Amino acid sequence: EVQLVESGGGLVKPGGSLRLSCVASGFTFHTYTLNWVRQAPGKGLEWVSSVSSSGSVIYYADSLEGRFTISRDNAKNSLFLQMNSLRAEDTAVYYCARADWRSGDAFDIWGQGTVVTVSS
Amino acid sequence: EIVLTQSPGTLSLSPGERATLSCRASQSVTSTYLAWYQQRPGQAPRLLIYAASRRAPGIPDRFSGSGSGTDFTLTISRLEPEDFAVYFCQQYDSSRTFGQGTKVEIK
Repeated sequence: EVQLVESGGGLVKPGGSLRLSCVASGFTFHTYTLNWVRQAPGKGLEWVSSVSSSGSVIYYADSLEGRFTISRDNAKNSLFLQMNSLRAEDTAVYYCARADWRSGDAFDIWGQGTVVTVSS
Repeated sequence: EIVLTQSPGTLSLSPGERATLSCRASQSVTSTYLAWYQQRPGQAPRLLIYAASRRAPGIPDRFSGSGSGTDFTLTISRLEPEDFAVYFCQQYDSSRTFGQGTKVEIK
């Protein structure tokens, strides 16, 4: 079964850091671009970051102001998001999502999400 | 940044009715890079339509997409109970952005 499973969420104080992980199974991980997408409580979807199949091309949403770092380990079928200087507005469910090159990079597979809460 | 504006915010319909959802872009989007997603409560989004009009694998043919340039539409021909959900459009032509969503609720 094609699957993405996120972990690493939790409660963190403002200014703190957190590292999210996403483990893939059921497909050839190293051939796909991966993304992080977040959803604040009761709100819409916000694209956060993407990393190319090799890890060499990375993009971030402007709103992050350089606080987040995306990376991947193709040997371990894993995607990561290092989040620093966290703010209350970073509180959200964080999803990892696969971009399918066959659909022009639409997000065809999503994980179940991991919850990040930034609060004192 | 390309801003996507979805309308209406909420659509109140009965099962069996037709739903028409709109997604308008602040600048032209290449049709190849426009997608629609469905999100049911407590679940992750699911890809419905990519390239503006192509159904993703396993998506019923009551879902269809159309449009070009700055105006795109998702149509659900006859609403089934499981179709009452929130729908998001997304462009991945210039960076990636989502619309704010349209909720389809039971009337």
